[in-house]
Amino acid sequence: RKEVEQDPGPFNVPEGATVAFNCTYSNSASQSFFWYRQDCRKEPKLLMSVYSSGNEDGRFTAQLNRASQYISLLIRDSKLSDSATYLCVVISMDSSYKLIFGSGTRLLVRP
Amino acid sequence: NAGVTQTPKFQVLKTGQSMTLQCAQDMNHNSMYWYRQDPGMGLRLIYYSASEGTTDKGEVPNGYNVSRLNKREFSLRLESAAPSQTSVYFCASSEPGRGQGEQFFGPGTRLTVL
Repeated sequence: RKEVEQDPGPFNVPEGATVAFNCTYSNSASQSFFWYRQDCRKEPKLLMSVYSSGNEDGRFTAQLNRASQYISLLIRDSKLSDSATYLCVVISMDSSYKLIFGSGTRLLVRP
Repeated sequence: NAGVTQTPKFQVLKTGQSMTLQCAQDMNHNSMYWYRQDPGMGLRLIYYSASEGTTDKGEVPNGYNVSRLNKREFSLRLESAAPSQTSVYFCASSEPGRGQGEQFFGPGTRLTVL
């Protein structure tokens, strides 16, 4: 079983839609959580950290559920420019703070 | 600031050939990393260097060697390339410890081994 699992998608949504992705992690010692964004044939870039109380950055909301070991990313009012692959990332203290990446969820926003 | 730079951007090798992928960062970060990305697999850590003078194996180190030349530069060497090493290679840097959450990536090297 992969340590971090994501639905690969693609999620195909119209502009203006709200879309949500989930990510599950298997290591209960996981300490820190992030969402990265990767455009086609480009490098990953940090989108946002995920805090225990949940956090929002503009149209993006991230939430953590430690009991069920999943994190989520909600995108409201989707834009064409949101089309990308979203990578779920986890850090565990028992892995010397190394990042574990999910394989990503692809989002396509259509006009 | 250029951030993280990688050379070359593209490379085609024949099985058994060797090559070195170069990476440099100008953000004064202590930690540097090499990842490979394959379809459906996500990024997997090959080697990392927590600080100048130290290197450690990641998840998939076999077939690779690394050198942390100085604080700025971290190179990845394939001694005898194999088709299974066809992949996109990313170098990244960050602050160590809890700063690792924000890693800055280079543009990648697309390697094909025939």
